Amino acid sequence: RKEVEQDPGPFNVPEGATVAFNCTYSNSASQSFFWYRQDCRKEPKLLMSVYSSGNEDGRFTAQLNRASQYISLLIRDSKLSDSATYLCVVNTATSGTYKYIFGTGTRLKVLA
Amino acid sequence: DTAVSQTPKYLVTQMGNDKSIKCEQNLGHDTMYWYKQDSKKFLKIMFSYNNKELIINETVPNRFSPKSPDKAHLNLHINSLELGDSAVYFCASSQDLNRESDEQFFGPGTRLTVL
Repeated sequence: RKEVEQDPGPFNVPEGATVAFNCTYSNSASQSFFWYRQDCRKEPKLLMSVYSSGNEDGRFTAQLNRASQYISLLIRDSKLSDSATYLCVVNTATSGTYKYIFGTGTRLKVLA
Repeated sequence: DTAVSQTPKYLVTQMGNDKSIKCEQNLGHDTMYWYKQDSKKFLKIMFSYNNKELIINETVPNRFSPKSPDKAHLNLHINSLELGDSAVYFCASSQDLNRESDEQFFGPGTRLTVL
């Protein structure tokens, strides 16, 4: 089983739609969680951190379920500019050192 | 102005050659990383350095040798390049390896093609 798993997509949605991505992780000792966004042929950039209580940033909502070991990202009112690959990232301590583990990403295409 | 910069942006070379990629960050961060993103877009950590000290080496072939002359620079030298080394290599930095919530800042990537 991969350490961090995501549905690769692509998710093709019309503008204005609501879309949700899930990500599961295998190490129950994982400490912190993030969603990064990667545009085509560009570097990944932090979209938002994911907190246990859930957090929202404008049209984006991230949630963490430690019991089931999954993270979700909800995008409301999708814009064309949201088209990108969304990477789930889990930070896990191994022998006292934190290591960032990336999922393979979920590709989103927002269609006009 | 660029936070994390890498050179070169593109690198095309023949099998068997030796090449280097350079990375610099001006964020004052203690920790730097090299990642490899293959054709399937999977981003996998190769190395991390904290204050010039190697912390993580993810079973990368010893043809890959990172070097950190100071904490703002982390270079990657690759010997005897193979076809399978073709990928995009990203450098990244974060404030401190031992802080779990630190954001990572990525460079623009170096697209390596081995012919």
